[in-house]
Amino acid sequence: QQQVKQSPQSLIVQKGGIPIINCAYENTAFDYFPWYQQFPGKGPALLIAIRPDVSEKKEGRFTISFNKSAKQFSLHIMDSQPGDSATYFCAASKGGATNKLIFGTGTLLAVQP
Amino acid sequence: ETGVTQTPRHLVMGMTNKKSLKCEQHLGHNAMYWYKQSAKKPLELMFVYNFKEQTENNSVPSRFSPECPNSSHLFLHLHTLQPEDSALYLCASSQDGSGGAGETQYFGPGTRLLVL
Repeated sequence: QQQVKQSPQSLIVQKGGIPIINCAYENTAFDYFPWYQQFPGKGPALLIAIRPDVSEKKEGRFTISFNKSAKQFSLHIMDSQPGDSATYFCAASKGGATNKLIFGTGTLLAVQP
Repeated sequence: ETGVTQTPRHLVMGMTNKKSLKCEQHLGHNAMYWYKQSAKKPLELMFVYNFKEQTENNSVPSRFSPECPNSSHLFLHLHTLQPEDSALYLCASSQDGSGGAGETQYFGPGTRLLVL
């Protein structure tokens, strides 16, 4: 049973495009939603996170949009660059715990020059 | 670098071998984690240690045996593994494992394990 469903599995965009990665969850007890970025040969690194009391959070070129009623959240990368090419994972946890994360399956993003 | 190192980076072992994975964090954290990352599957949390005590075992088979001698070091002892155990094993650390707001997990680069 996959508790956090992530799509698409892979994504190719041109430089300057706005890739969007989507995640959906079923457990309404989830209340912390981070995104992790992983480059080849490296471990995942926290990129940005949101809690359900807001519908949007921006950090630099990265934005999380959160739709509580639909139980969906998404990552938008503005003005994407080739250096953004990586695998992106969404995750969720409950009880506000940032240490017991349920991860999505990942999206491999390629930004072409 | 994240301050979390893992050795070896690559490991090939037979099903009858015994090997160990090592993780060391230089961040002064008190919580450490083992994750399994398989292709096209979600990261799976395996074990959690807070202040050297195991606080989470996510129904991991006994052929995986963790050890946490101090807050800076974490080991994963492997014995009689199966080919389906081939994966990237990631170690992570966080401040105190309380899961409080703002607590972030820092991951090492992982050990790529192949079981023949």
